[in-house]
Amino acid sequence: DTGVSQDPRHKITKRGQNVTFRCDPISEHNRLYWYRQTLGQGPEFLTYFQNEAQLEKSRLLSDRFSAERPKGSFSTLEIQRTEQGDSAMYLCASSSEAGLAGGNEQFFGPGTRLTVL
Amino acid sequence: AQSVAQPEDQVNVAEGNPLTVKCTYSVSGNPYLFWYVQYPNRGLQFLLKYITGDNLVKGSYGFEAEFNKSQTSFHLKKPSALVSDSALYFCAVRGPTDSWGKLQFGAGTQVVVTP
Repeated sequence: DTGVSQDPRHKITKRGQNVTFRCDPISEHNRLYWYRQTLGQGPEFLTYFQNEAQLEKSRLLSDRFSAERPKGSFSTLEIQRTEQGDSAMYLCASSSEAGLAGGNEQFFGPGTRLTVL
Repeated sequence: AQSVAQPEDQVNVAEGNPLTVKCTYSVSGNPYLFWYVQYPNRGLQFLLKYITGDNLVKGSYGFEAEFNKSQTSFHLKKPSALVSDSALYFCAVRGPTDSWGKLQFGAGTQVVVTP
């Protein structure tokens, strides 16, 4: 399968613990996005990477959140000192820069569902 | 600021009947518009997009959408719905200045197709 993969698929943690999620984009895609989706809502943008550079962060991404893409391939999203309000589905997506880049669709992974007890 | 509205939380349709899922948008300039579908416990799957050109775009699984600039709408349609089309559908917009950019999603419309 050459699609976007995410690991783990599910994570249950206690409030105050740190968690880290991984995303492996489609190999030839240099653009990578993180979104958060809560029940009954559409995905909300968190952050964007072009290659290894993090070019935009949403105001939703508090200082407890950090994302990296060290070699321009896979990415990690870490949440420190988790809170119950962090419970959500965390989605990763990737896209190509080729062609009319603004019109390129994003390909989404299956998501990581986080539950903070 | 750009935004997307999906006015219906749920659409119910009988199998074989036409399906329409509504979407309106607000963006400065010409938008890039997308439709995605989400099945339970799955990520979003791309259905179709409007970038420029013909207002009627065709996508995966027999879906199509019509871009209407005057009404700022991008409704998703399927002539004959299948039970397997039951899922959560999201409309998304990207503004013309976001050449790389993030997508702004609507809240989603649950489609229920009954046999």
